Amino acid sequence: AQSVTQLDSQVPVFEEAPVELRCNYSSSVSVYLFWYVQYPNQGLQLLLKYLSGSTLVKGINGFEAEFNKSQTSFHLRKPSVHISDTAEYFCAFGGYQKVTFGTGTKLQVIP
Amino acid sequence: NAGVTQTPKFRILKIGQSMTLQCTQDMNHNYMYWYRQDPGMGLKLIYYSVGAGITDKGEVPNGYNVSRSTTEDFPLRLELAAPSQTSVYFCASSPGLGTGNTEAFFGQGTRLTVV
Repeated sequence: AQSVTQLDSQVPVFEEAPVELRCNYSSSVSVYLFWYVQYPNQGLQLLLKYLSGSTLVKGINGFEAEFNKSQTSFHLRKPSVHISDTAEYFCAFGGYQKVTFGTGTKLQVIP
Repeated sequence: NAGVTQTPKFRILKIGQSMTLQCTQDMNHNYMYWYRQDPGMGLKLIYYSVGAGITDKGEVPNGYNVSRSTTEDFPLRLELAAPSQTSVYFCASSPGLGTGNTEAFFGQGTRLTVV
């Protein structure tokens, strides 16, 4: 069975500091991985996705993620966060006919 | 561009009442999904549909029903509301052909409280 695990439920970070949000996956078949962001009182929107090819994926708003097959990870990074990055971030696995989401990580950017 | 539209945005139900959450997409996507979001639990799949006339259960289908008579619409029905169904509900659609390699597009959510 495919699954994703987000170990950190909350990550506080000071403005302009770097951040890494962790995601590990479990799958025995083809791997399609996504990061979504949810701003307060809104739906989810796609940040970036890994389907194949280059393991370093760049997304919107300066975020990037690296697919690491040996460590079964897909961590999300940003070199310098802004107050507007305060949101909840979801790692997701694209499986046959459905998408499985992690439990989410709340990023709190401190001014 | 409307995308995925959910109505209503908020609703308070009494225990035992029924209601339908509406979801419409204008992107001609084959796949549609209903998720519920509870604090600290992420998104749990309730039901999904791979095309008009075809629906299937997700992880947490008990207490819900769906139908898919058209490509555009995918309503979610609660027959006998219970406090455990207090949640935020999200509808999503995807053009995917079942291989999992396409993104999902989400509506703005419906916040439901059962009292």
